[in-house]
Amino acid sequence: IVMTQSPLSLTVTPGEPASISCRSSQSLLHTNGYNYLDWYLQKPGQSPQLLMYLSSYRASGVPDRFSGSGSGTDFTLKISRVEAEDVGVYYCMQALQIPLTFGGGTKVEVK
Amino acid sequence: EVQLVESGGGLVQPGGSLRLSCVASGFTFNNYWMDWFRQAPGKGLEWVAKIKQDGSEKHYLDSVKGRFTISRDNAKNSLYLQMNNLGAEDTAVYYCVKVGNSGWTTDFWGQGTRVIVSS
Repeated sequence: IVMTQSPLSLTVTPGEPASISCRSSQSLLHTNGYNYLDWYLQKPGQSPQLLMYLSSYRASGVPDRFSGSGSGTDFTLKISRVEAEDVGVYYCMQALQIPLTFGGGTKVEVK
Repeated sequence: EVQLVESGGGLVQPGGSLRLSCVASGFTFNNYWMDWFRQAPGKGLEWVAKIKQDGSEKHYLDSVKGRFTISRDNAKNSLYLQMNNLGAEDTAVYYCVKVGNSGWTTDFWGQGTRVIVSS
C-alpha cells in the first residue's frame, strides 16, 4: 500500500491551526469498521512517537489539540492550535497489512 | 515505564554481518508482537521485520528477506535482528518497536542503534 502525504512542509504561527493530509493507494477500512491509519511525530533528534491510531483515536498522553479524521483512502491530521513543542516530522502509516508503509513525512516548523 | 534499549550497531563492511539486540522492560514482553523499523540518513521510516509473541510467526520486508533474521528470547526480554550480507542500502538507524493492541499499530519505539555499511 502506497502512502502519500501533503504538504511536504508547513510553517505555522503559534496558536494557529495546521492540517496534514494522507492518502493511501488502497482502502484502510477493515471489515470491523475501523480504519487502520496511524499518525506519528518524530521530534528533532528523537525516535517517533504515536499520536493517533485507528485514524481518530488519540494515543495516551497526546493533547486534545490533535485530532484525526478520514476513512477509506483519505485521512487528515489536524492541530487546532500549534505550539512550539509540535515541531518535527509527522508521518502517517497504514497498519492494515504487511508490509507496513509510511507516507513520506511532513515537516512542521513554528515561526 | 516502558523501555526498549537497542545495541549492536556500528560500522561494517559491505557483505558483512551484524547482530542487533534490544532489551525490553516495563511491560510483559511475551504478550506482544515486536518489530524492527529503520530510518536511512535524512530519509523516512521503513518497517523491516516483525515477530509474534512466541516467535512462531515472522514477517520481513522483501528487500531483507533471506538476509535478515528476527528472533526473540522471552526469558531474557530480548529481541534480536541478525543482519547478513549487508549493503550500503542497509545504512540506517534501526529501531526496536513494541506493537500495541490495535492491529499493527506500534505504541513505543526505542532510541535506535546506528548501522553504517561502508568500506
